[in-house]
Amino acid sequence: EVQLVESGGGLVQPGGSLRLSCAASGFISTDHYMDWVRQAPGKGLEWVGRSRNKTKSYTTEYAASVKGRFTISRGDLQNSLYLQMNSLKAEDTAMYYCARVHAANWYFDLWGPGTLVTVSS
Amino acid sequence: DIQVTQSPSSLSASLGDRVTITCRASQGIIKNLVWFQQKPGKAPEPLIYTASTLRSGVPSRFSGSVSGTDFTLTINSLQPEDFATYYCQQYHGYPLTFGRGTRLEIK
Repeated sequence: EVQLVESGGGLVQPGGSLRLSCAASGFISTDHYMDWVRQAPGKGLEWVGRSRNKTKSYTTEYAASVKGRFTISRGDLQNSLYLQMNSLKAEDTAMYYCARVHAANWYFDLWGPGTLVTVSS
Repeated sequence: DIQVTQSPSSLSASLGDRVTITCRASQGIIKNLVWFQQKPGKAPEPLIYTASTLRSGVPSRFSGSVSGTDFTLTINSLQPEDFATYYCQQYHGYPLTFGRGTRLEIK
């Protein structure tokens, strides 16, 4: 089955760090651009960042709100995507989704169910 | 940044009604816009991409159109499962940006 499943969310104190994982199955994730999108409780969707595919050397792009604090990386053997989050703030509290970018049409065609990150003391 | 202004923010309609939701991009994005449906506690699901292409498996009562920088999602003959929140998103340039959402409620 083609799917994405996120993990690693939880409660963390302000200033702390957390690493999220996204496990892909049923397709080769290294062939695709893969992104992270978040949604604060009761709010809209916010793009976090992107990892381009293997052909593009997994280069990255980030939203201004997370640049310098968050890092997206890949794990080839595990067909996984990661989001390392440092210097976390209360406003980073959100459901974090990983999403696959359609190879030909460039939209988010596959999403995981999300993992919840809560930043609070 | 490319801003995407979505309206209305909420909408009440009855079963069988036709509704339209619009998104206006702050600059030209060609047709690089997707519409998502999101239900409570679930991830968004794509409905229409490249402004007007219906994704496989999505009912034909959903349609999308574009005129310049104005994008429209139309839902004909509303069904119970259509009551949800809808988002547009541009993927023309970085940062990728979403509209603020339209909550479609039963009247």
